[in-house]
Amino acid sequence: SQKIEQNSEALNIQEGKTATLTCNYTNYSPAYLQWYRQDPGRGPVFLLLIRENEKEKRKERLKVTFDTTLKQSLFHITASQPADSATYLCSLYGNNRLAFGKGNQVVVIP
Amino acid sequence: ETGVTQTPRHLVMGMTNKKSLKCEQHLGHNAMYWYKQSAKKPLELMFVYSLEERVENNSVPSRFSPECPNSSHLFLHLHTLQPEDSALYLCASSHARRGVYEQYFGPGTRLTVT
Repeated sequence: SQKIEQNSEALNIQEGKTATLTCNYTNYSPAYLQWYRQDPGRGPVFLLLIRENEKEKRKERLKVTFDTTLKQSLFHITASQPADSATYLCSLYGNNRLAFGKGNQVVVIP
Repeated sequence: ETGVTQTPRHLVMGMTNKKSLKCEQHLGHNAMYWYKQSAKKPLELMFVYSLEERVENNSVPSRFSPECPNSSHLFLHLHTLQPEDSALYLCASSHARRGVYEQYFGPGTRLTVT
C-alpha cells in the first residue's frame, strides 16, 4: 500500500541550529512533493514545492531536497527561531493522487 | 476579505441534525477541496472540484454531501453524522491543475458530533 511517513516524535531544537525533517514514501511515483506548515487550530500554509527532476529547492532559511532513488525528502530550517515552532506536513502528488503525511512537530527552544 | 475563508469556525451538532459548512476563496482559483483532519491522522482528501465539476470523491460516506455552485464557493452538507466524524474540516483552493500548484487552506471548521 502507499505510505507517506514522517517522524511522529517532536523535534526539539535549540534556537539558531538547523532543524531537519524527513519524509519517506513507499509505492509512490511522485511527480511533485510539497511542504506545508501548520500551526495549532489553523489550516496548513504552503512553503515549498519540488519536482521529481529537481534535487534541491531553497526559500530564505528553508531548503528541501528530493531523492527519488531513496524515496525521501529532507526539509531543513537553518538558523531556527522560536517562531518556526509548528507542525510541518509533507505532501505528494503522483499517479493522479494527492496525499499528505501526518506531519512532524518542531519545537525551537530559545 | 482575502484568501480562503470558512464558516462557521466551530460547530457542535447532534447526530440527527443537518448543517452545512461554507468555504469561499478570493484568490481566483478554479479548484477547491474538502479535507478531514483527525488527531494523529494525516489529512484525508474528501472531495475535489475542478472548474465546478466534482473530479474526485474518496469513498466518503453519503452523509457528507458537497456542493460547488461556482468556482469561488464550496459547501459541505452534513446530515446524520456519527461521533467519529468529529474532526477539523479544511477547505483549500488551487489552480485547476491540482497537485501541480500549491494549495491555499482556510482556517477550518472544528466539528463536534454529540
